[in-house]
Parts: sequence; C-alpha cells; structure tokens
Amino acid sequence: DSGVTQTPKHLITATGQRVTLRCSPRSGDLSVYWYQQSLDQGLQFLIQYYNGEERAKGNILERFSAQQFPDLHSELNLSSLELGDSALYFCASGGSRVEAFFGQGTRLTVV
Amino acid sequence: DAKTTQPPSMDCAEGRAANLPCNHSTISGNEYVYWYRQIHSQGPQYIIHGLKNNETNEMASLIITEDRKSSTLILPHATLRDTAVYYCIVRVAVDSSYKLIFGSGTRLLVRP
Repeated sequence: DSGVTQTPKHLITATGQRVTLRCSPRSGDLSVYWYQQSLDQGLQFLIQYYNGEERAKGNILERFSAQQFPDLHSELNLSSLELGDSALYFCASGGSRVEAFFGQGTRLTVV
Repeated sequence: DAKTTQPPSMDCAEGRAANLPCNHSTISGNEYVYWYRQIHSQGPQYIIHGLKNNETNEMASLIITEDRKSSTLILPHATLRDTAVYYCIVRVAVDSSYKLIFGSGTRLLVRP
C-alpha cells in the first residue's frame, strides 16, 4: 500500500460526458502528480500541483483540468470525453522525500 | 521528451541476476536517475534512485557510470514476481519542484 488513494477504481461513461477523478496524497506530501496511461503505452505526465498551486504541465489537453484543494487532495476533471480518453489515470504524491509514490489508478472507459 | 533509452524487452532465469541497462546521455549534473516498475496495470512502484554514486537497497542495486551517461539496475536474484515493466527515469527539475518523465521501459520476463 503506497498510501496514495485514488477513487473511483473504475469508471465507465459515454462520449461527451464529464468525469472527476480524485486523489488523496500520502500524509505530509504536498505534491500531487497526474499521469495518463493508454493501453499498452507508457505513462504520460499531465500536470503537477504543489501545496495548491500548479507547478508543472505536461501533455494535458485543454479539455482536462485539475486542482489541488487546501486539504491537499486533488481532482482531475475530464470533459467532452472521447473514445481515445479511455486509459488508466494515475496519481502520485511526493514531498520532502525524493521518491514519488503512486496510487493504484482509475481505469476510465469511454463508450 | 523522455531523456532515457532502454531495451524494449529482456528475460532472465529465475534465481539469476537481472541486469537492466539504461542510457541517459543528456542528463544534467543535478538530475537524479530513478527506477520504477509496473506489474500488470498496477501503480508504478518505486525501486531505487541515485545521483552519481552506486546505490543499494533491499530491492536492487543501481550502478551509475562515472560520466553518468548510463546506468544499470541489478536485481540480484530475480523471482517470477519480478516480471514487470521497468522504467528508468531522469528526474527533471521544474522551478523549485521536479517531475518524473517516463519512457517506454523494459519489459522483463523472469523464466522458471
């Protein structure tokens, strides 16, 4: 158990819809990272937040957005969903320790 | 924009050492090398990291060349449960924080 909690574990939705993925970081970690992993692909870095502020952006679509709340949990919002958005979405948290710990992911299926 | 290059696949016999190579020829002086692995579609698991010295922990050893342009992850006695995709990552500094950029990884198969 990495200490990073992601909900829901599975999500099935239709094209055009909007969903919200949630991540609770490890206790004491201020950074949250979001990654997308499509089928049989590597992990694509999407975005990072540190103590409520956006710190780094990767290949995140304009239809996607994220935020980190005062209690440090983070949400990734995906809108106008397309079939190609079907993927595993991972959250990782890090802090004063140099390694980042990953959650078990949310599997999103767009039909 | 991954900064690492790894062979797509490798295999080794159970009980033998698995040596996974990684090239990171454009690494900067203050950038760390990290190794993670991913078993099936689980969340990536941290293995080890290093800057310029060799490192060892309960899971593996990391050998970094003197010029820091390549490294090798060593699993001393591979087991079937070590079958996974292994990612070599350079931690990239971003302002006062950092991000991990994953490459394609090496799919390691441990044979009985």
